[in-house]
Amino acid sequence: EVQLVESGGGLVQSGRSLRLSCAASGFTFEKYAMHWVRQVPGKGLEWVSGISGNPTRMGYADSVKGRFIISRDNAKNSLYLEMGTLGPDDTAFYFCARDKGLNWNSHWPFDYWGQGTLVTVSS
Amino acid sequence: DIHMTQSPSSLSASVGDRVTITCRAGQTIDNYLNWYQQKPGKAPNLLIFTTSNLQSGVPSRFTGSGSGTEFTLTITSLQPEDLATYYCQQTSSLPPTFGAGTKVEIK
Repeated sequence: EVQLVESGGGLVQSGRSLRLSCAASGFTFEKYAMHWVRQVPGKGLEWVSGISGNPTRMGYADSVKGRFIISRDNAKNSLYLEMGTLGPDDTAFYFCARDKGLNWNSHWPFDYWGQGTLVTVSS
Repeated sequence: DIHMTQSPSSLSASVGDRVTITCRAGQTIDNYLNWYQQKPGKAPNLLIFTTSNLQSGVPSRFTGSGSGTEFTLTITSLQPEDLATYYCQQTSSLPPTFGAGTKVEIK
């Protein structure tokens, strides 16, 4: 059974950093691209970042480019999101999601999602 | 970025009704349109990918159609467990973008 479990969320002051983790199990992690998607409580979904099975290839939304860094450790079946210079607009649930394919910039959908971790940025 | 417009933003229907949700893309996206269901307090769940392909384990009452810029999700016979918000997503070009969602309520 595919499982994705996020951790690392919490309350953080504006301007500070936070690192999210996503532990994956039930599938061959290195064969799938992974993504972070966020959702302001009660609002819609926003793609944040994606990384290919090859951890050297990644992409970011303009809203986080230069502040967030996505990475993965295929030996540990783990996905990460290092979030820097956080602001109130970054307050959201952050979901990790598995791509149906190997490359983050493919046409495939996101076929499995974690339950999310809440990041709250106070001003 | 490709803007995705969903309509209606919400609807209320009875069990057994046929429900249709529309998603329009700001430019042609070929058939790279996916649908997700998000139940209250839960993560999104993939229903349909590439316009009309049913994800494994999803009931056959969910169907998708469309092409170019206009797409629809149809629930052929609404069930109580279909109470959720439904999102479309395009993966034709980067970044992948979502519609604002359609909240489905049961009368």
